[in-house]
Amino acid sequence: IAGITQAPTSQILAAGRRMTLRCTQDMRHNAMYWYRQDLGLGLRLIHYSNTAGTTGKGEVPDGYSVSRANTDDFPLTLASAVPSQTSVYFCASSDERASYNEQFFGPGTRLTVL
Amino acid sequence: GQNIDQPTEMTATEGAIVQINCTYQTSGFNGLFWYQQHAGEAPTFLSYNVLDGLEEKGRFSSFLSRSKGYSYLLLKELQMKDSASYLCAVTDSNYQLIWGAGTKLIIKP
Repeated sequence: IAGITQAPTSQILAAGRRMTLRCTQDMRHNAMYWYRQDLGLGLRLIHYSNTAGTTGKGEVPDGYSVSRANTDDFPLTLASAVPSQTSVYFCASSDERASYNEQFFGPGTRLTVL
Repeated sequence: GQNIDQPTEMTATEGAIVQINCTYQTSGFNGLFWYQQHAGEAPTFLSYNVLDGLEEKGRFSSFLSRSKGYSYLLLKELQMKDSASYLCAVTDSNYQLIWGAGTKLIIKP
């Protein structure tokens, strides 16, 4: 693989169910991020990780949790999904050693909570 | 609060030039990014400005004025494939990226 992959591509989920969105990168980037993107709103940061073993809360962390056990993987878990979590979720990564520290995005997961 | 403003939608003609503006109010400034996002796809990096002035990259240029809290993305010789949303994002004093809602650019033949 090259870049960032996310799974699943899309998912329909019943409210109250637990769900984990997977994200893997093979670029050895130190930082990883989870965003949600809703129509008419900008990308909103849910959680981030500056390096393996550390995580931080973004703008909209409630209802979500993350872990960063190693450099490559950064799963996002919805403990008990609610309809307001219907969104497109993007995982991203960046390398602070790069010239611009730009973020590279995965293809996204489209999640619908009914 | 932190805020980034961009027009919601713009329309331009194939072969023409279009300028997409972005104004920002953030706690600190450590650089401004422009990303392109085609419908149903992920954002991809276009440009980065940290100093005042114009950065040119092929048909795309990006300008920054830090004193005015203002940037624009200039697209020349528009092609149909340039139809996409263009996202402005600013790195604040905590090095967090603050994103605008994006400008949907529609190119007409």
